[in-house]
Amino acid sequence: QKEVEQNSGPLSVPEGAIASLNCTYSDRGSQSFFWYRQYSGKSPELIMSIYSNGDKEDGRFTAQLNKASQYVSLLIRDSQPSDSATYLCAGTQDSSYKLIFGSGTRLLVRP
Amino acid sequence: EAGVTQFPSHSVIEKGQTVTLRCDPISGHDNLYWYRRVMGKEIKFLLHFVKESKQDESGMPNNRFLAERTGGTYSTLKVQPAELEDSGVYFCASSRQGLSEKLFFGSGTQLSVL
Repeated sequence: QKEVEQNSGPLSVPEGAIASLNCTYSDRGSQSFFWYRQYSGKSPELIMSIYSNGDKEDGRFTAQLNKASQYVSLLIRDSQPSDSATYLCAGTQDSSYKLIFGSGTRLLVRP
Repeated sequence: EAGVTQFPSHSVIEKGQTVTLRCDPISGHDNLYWYRRVMGKEIKFLLHFVKESKQDESGMPNNRFLAERTGGTYSTLKVQPAELEDSGVYFCASSRQGLSEKLFFGSGTQLSVL
């Protein structure tokens, strides 16, 4: 079992729709979670971080964490074609500097 | 502010050869990390420097890999001798603090071992 699991996709949504990206993790010691966006051939870029149960919103992005279910999600509202990229979920243990990545979900936003 | 710089961006070598990858972190970032993505797999941690000291090299695959960070500035990752399974994208990242939240990634070095 992978430590952080994501559906590889592609997840295809029409422009303006809500894109929902999901991630599960196996280590209950994981404390912090991050969503990175990676365009093809480019570096991963941090979009959101979340540390406690519940929702965290930043602009069009909302991260959700449910530690009891070991589940992390990222919602992208009003999806734009420029959001088309691979989204990487990553977690760390308490005070850790080591990111454990999922394999990423490819998102395609259709104009 | 310049980002994390890696070079070369691409390297194609034959099995058994040596390759050295370089990473220049963002100025002032004491923490430097190497990660690797092998084809079809997730990005995996290799090691972590704080200044010139290795804090954790638990992700290094084997002793064919050697990372250095002389003077606590740029870092090099040498693979000697390279094997076919070393092919992948090698990412460097840096942060001012030790927490992953402030991690900035370079665009990676695509290594192909033939």
